[in-house]
Amino acid sequence: EAGVAQSPRYKIIEKRQSVAFWCNPISGHATLYWYQQILGQGPKLLIQFQNNGVVDDSQLPKDRFSAERLKGVDSTLKIQPAKLEDSAVYLCASRLMMNTEAFFGQGTRLTVV
Amino acid sequence: DAKTTQPPSMDCAEGRAANLPCNHSTISGNEYVYWYRQIHSQGPQYIIHGLKNNETNEMASLIITEDRKSSTLILPHATLRDTAVYYCIVSSNTGNQFYFGTGTSLTVIP
Repeated sequence: EAGVAQSPRYKIIEKRQSVAFWCNPISGHATLYWYQQILGQGPKLLIQFQNNGVVDDSQLPKDRFSAERLKGVDSTLKIQPAKLEDSAVYLCASRLMMNTEAFFGQGTRLTVV
Repeated sequence: DAKTTQPPSMDCAEGRAANLPCNHSTISGNEYVYWYRQIHSQGPQYIIHGLKNNETNEMASLIITEDRKSSTLILPHATLRDTAVYYCIVSSNTGNQFYFGTGTSLTVIP
C-alpha cells in the first residue's frame, strides 16, 4: 500500500515569512497527526485529527500555527509568521484505528533563517 | 505528554541480542506499549506493540512485565542497520494520543 506522503521535502524561508506543509495520509486512515521534531529531540505532537475534527491541539502554538484537514483526507499545516525556533522536521502520521500502528511520512525539513 | 523513561544511549555488538528497556510505571489498563525506531533523516518506523502479553514478529520481541510497569524490546541478532533511536510509547485506546519521549540511541558496533 502507498505510504504517507508529505511535501515539500525541504523548505528554507526567512523569519517572519509564511510556510505551508502538505500531508496525504494512507487511504482510509481516520486519524492524522502532525509532529514537530527539533534536532536531537523526540517528535512532539502538535495536533491530532479524527476524520476532519480536531482531537488534540494542546501543544500547537495557535498564535502562529494552524492546521486543517479538509474532507477528512489531506491535511495542511501552516506557520505564519515563522520564527527561527520553528526550524525542525515536521512529520505527518496516520492511523487506521486505535490499537494499530501509526505510519509516518518522511517529513518536511524546515530551516528558518 | 510522554509517560515513558528510557536510557539515553546503549551499545550492542553486532550479532548479539540488543535489549532495550522502557519504564512506564504510570501505565493504565487500556494503554498499549508501542515501539518505534528512527534512522537519521527518516520518519519513525513501527516495530511492535502489545498490551500485556509478550509479542514477537519478524523484527523483534516485546517483553512486558506482569505488572506492566516496564517492558523490554529485544532485537535478537543486531546488525549495523539497527543503529537508530528507539522510542517506547504508551497509547490509550480511548484518546488515541501518541506521545514520544526522548528515546534510546542504539549503536551497533562491528
